[in-house]
Amino acid sequence: DTEVTQTPKHLVMGMTNKKSLKCEQHMGHRAMYWYKQKAKKPPELMFVYSYEKLSINESVPSRFSPECPNSSLLNLHLHALQPEDSALYLCASSQFGQGSTEAFFGQGTRLTVV
Amino acid sequence: RKEVEQDPGPFNVPEGATVAFNCTYSNSASQSFFWYRQDCRKEPKLLMSVYSSGNEDGRFTAQLNRASQYISLLIRDSKLSDSATYLCVVNPNDMRFGAGTRLTVKP
Repeated sequence: DTEVTQTPKHLVMGMTNKKSLKCEQHMGHRAMYWYKQKAKKPPELMFVYSYEKLSINESVPSRFSPECPNSSLLNLHLHALQPEDSALYLCASSQFGQGSTEAFFGQGTRLTVV
Repeated sequence: RKEVEQDPGPFNVPEGATVAFNCTYSNSASQSFFWYRQDCRKEPKLLMSVYSSGNEDGRFTAQLNRASQYISLLIRDSKLSDSATYLCVVNPNDMRFGAGTRLTVKP
């Protein structure tokens, strides 16, 4: 099983809403990532979790709050987003450490903030 | 300077052409390198890993030059189905993408 599952696939939310994006993998990977991707741009790293601990936060605004409840799950809590936060949000996982293997990506959540 | 820099493209080539992409990286501690392919409105998918000695998978050849800190991807005998965005990824444990190069193969 080389699958990363993201839910929901599409999400429309208002600027006052609170929502969560979910990501799950069962490959035993110990690194998990959130990326944001705008149209015609590459994925932009937001957060990295290593062994369920936040290891990298790329100066992401606090309206995005990541959570890693266990080694298989990664959440991204959203609150008070802005229209410019509309994008494809990608989750990925990989084995961790020097000489890491490739990352596997979920299909993404296409988020629209209205 | 960006951590990973990639040829801007776009590349528009005829079927059967050979095309090469390069990607430079700034972190000399980087240990693993990959090329991903991303189709429109889809997630990135691994095309191939890049090994120190260079590696080949059919029409695709990847090379790593640690001294000059760049990786390359060569596609021979381009097919229409190769049209996509090609992204390099450099991993000193945080999987950073290059800007991506858009390739269009035309009949």
